[in-house]
Amino acid sequence: DAGVIQSPRHEVTEMGQEVTLRCKPISGHDYLFWYRQTMMRGLELLIYFNNNVPIDDSGMPEDRFSAKMPNASFSTLKIQPSEPRDSAVYFCASSPIRGDAAFFGQGTRLTVV
Amino acid sequence: GDSVTQMEGPVTLSEEAFLTINCTYTATGYPSLFWYVQYPGEGLQLLLKATKADDKGSNKGFEATYRKETTSFHLEKGSVQVSDSAVYFCALFANSGNTPLVFGKGTRLSVIA
Repeated sequence: DAGVIQSPRHEVTEMGQEVTLRCKPISGHDYLFWYRQTMMRGLELLIYFNNNVPIDDSGMPEDRFSAKMPNASFSTLKIQPSEPRDSAVYFCASSPIRGDAAFFGQGTRLTVV
Repeated sequence: GDSVTQMEGPVTLSEEAFLTINCTYTATGYPSLFWYVQYPGEGLQLLLKATKADDKGSNKGFEATYRKETTSFHLEKGSVQVSDSAVYFCALFANSGNTPLVFGKGTRLSVIA
């Protein structure tokens, strides 16, 4: 398996624009996590899914953020409208079952100017 | 809720020194415990794991033992190398309930020659 695949690797956008980050989890993994990492706040869990169903989205900073998982092989994290404070590295991770290790993608470095 | 506390860094060591990074956790039940490593510009990689009390996880010379009585999972390595310089994260994933994969804040390790 190729591992967790995220796209794009880098995104630079202007404030106010819509941004969509994409993630393809490892096949057969039931759990999918979205994290955000910044120097100031470290690694923050935004939302996680189990069998394509959102379980906990309490980490989503505000209504500008939304995440979907239309099927077992694809998830998106959307920011609309984007703001400079959204600049961060966004990671997607997947895990086969509860309690097992999660595997991370390479991340998307988002810069909002 | 479940949480992980790890020693704050940065930690600076000379090559071949002994490494300990402390990690303690709070959880209901018996979670699985993990150490992840993040090299500059990369995603998090699983370093080792332990799924039950007294288990010892090991990889690349690193070890950690799941201590239920002290709720700890300290990371150790007998002789560090410059290539071990990275950020290390302790994490837990509960085996039941809806608690997500929880990470500590990370400890930056710098090894100097």
